[in-house]
Amino acid sequence: ILNVEQSPQSLHVQEGDSTNFTCSFPSSNFYALHWYRWETAKSPEALFVMTLNGDEKKKGRISATLNTKEGYSYLYIKGSQPEDSATYLCAYSNYGGSQGNLIFGKGTKLSVKP
Amino acid sequence: DTAVSQTPKYLVTQMGNDKSIKCEQNLGHDTMYWYKQDSKKFLKIMFSYNNKELIINETVPNRFSPKSPDKAHLNLHINSLELGDSAVYFCASSPNSDRHENSPLHFGNGTRLTVT
Repeated sequence: ILNVEQSPQSLHVQEGDSTNFTCSFPSSNFYALHWYRWETAKSPEALFVMTLNGDEKKKGRISATLNTKEGYSYLYIKGSQPEDSATYLCAYSNYGGSQGNLIFGKGTKLSVKP
Repeated sequence: DTAVSQTPKYLVTQMGNDKSIKCEQNLGHDTMYWYKQDSKKFLKIMFSYNNKELIINETVPNRFSPKSPDKAHLNLHINSLELGDSAVYFCASSPNSDRHENSPLHFGNGTRLTVT
């Protein structure tokens, strides 16, 4: 059974704080890692797709890194704003799985207080 | 100009009924998916279609049948609904590529199905 673990489950920070959370996945046969941002009452929105060990991607104040050898990815948010409040999901696929089959974690719920 | 739209948003029905959820995407993507958000809040894939051809069919009861009349539509039909089918169902699409996980998914807003 392939598991994707995300930590922490929830996080409360003050506006202006920088924060980060973790996605852990099986390191063998890695193929791709996705990050999504999911606001309440909306649909998940893609942030990053990473495929190479050592990948670093950035979109505004949000960035992500990937370590496929040890099986983890970090998502960083610099200077959190209230509008960053959302659940952040990661999803993983491997060479052994069905093509297109992404396995999702439960997400990290971020709340940013003004 | 919603990219991936699914209807209805809410569906309340009784056990034993047959119901359908519709999904349409206007992104020109070749691949469409149905995901189910289970009681533990995990998003799990149910089906994937590429150019109207089924490519993923995870362990889903055969009461669930996807129908793709064209590559812009992937509908989900559920027969003989059971209490355990209550969940939020998400449609998604992605561009075609050698392996679809290279591309991000574009999700619909979800359909909350409640079976009473």
